Amino acid sequence: KAGVTQTPRYLIKTRGQQVTLSCSPISGHRSVSWYQQTPGQGLQFLFEYFSETQRNKGNFPGRFSGRQFSNSRSEMNVSTLELGDSALYLCASSSQAGTGVLYEQYFGPGTRLTVT
Amino acid sequence: SQQGEEDPQALSIQEGENATMNCSYKTSINNLQWYRQNSGRGLVHLILIRSNEREKHSGRLRVTLDTSKKSSSLLITASRAADTASYFCATDARSGGYQKVTFGTGTKLQVIP
Repeated sequence: KAGVTQTPRYLIKTRGQQVTLSCSPISGHRSVSWYQQTPGQGLQFLFEYFSETQRNKGNFPGRFSGRQFSNSRSEMNVSTLELGDSALYLCASSSQAGTGVLYEQYFGPGTRLTVT
Repeated sequence: SQQGEEDPQALSIQEGENATMNCSYKTSINNLQWYRQNSGRGLVHLILIRSNEREKHSGRLRVTLDTSKKSSSLLITASRAADTASYFCATDARSGGYQKVTFGTGTKLQVIP
């Protein structure tokens, strides 16, 4: 089975711009979660999608949004980029949804976003 | 301290020795997981232990969970240079109507050949 793929792998944007990151989960996985990783804050949960619905969310401002398509592929959008949004954005897929128990997640390689 | 805080922050051992990392958390959890991250393979799931379990083994890995102390430990026996990586614990807990996943700050393990 192919693993979780994320595109692009590297991205440089300017403050104020918006960006869309893409994630393709493992075939058959319907749950996709997004995380932000920075040296200062570590790994932080953004949100989780299951069957095109946002099931869970972390504590991020509304500039961070996402969606999931019928084929389980997911996109994450960040509007009005700030310097502090520079981070590694990781996507993870799971065969189960966050119904109360966190299951094993498979992570993609991440998208390294740099905001200048 | 934050939910899912690992201790120590960094650990350096000789190949063949055992490595122990600890994770503490604050709220009640459903389960706890350990992940490994290195530059070569990204973030990889190691083991999951449920809140009603006390100990779990997987190969050279041994995880314990003490819900009364809100802590978990990861033991890697007979360490190898390839075990050099950062290790994170992750917990899931209900917060504000949502199921929230929290990763710890991580322990950087260096195994010296």
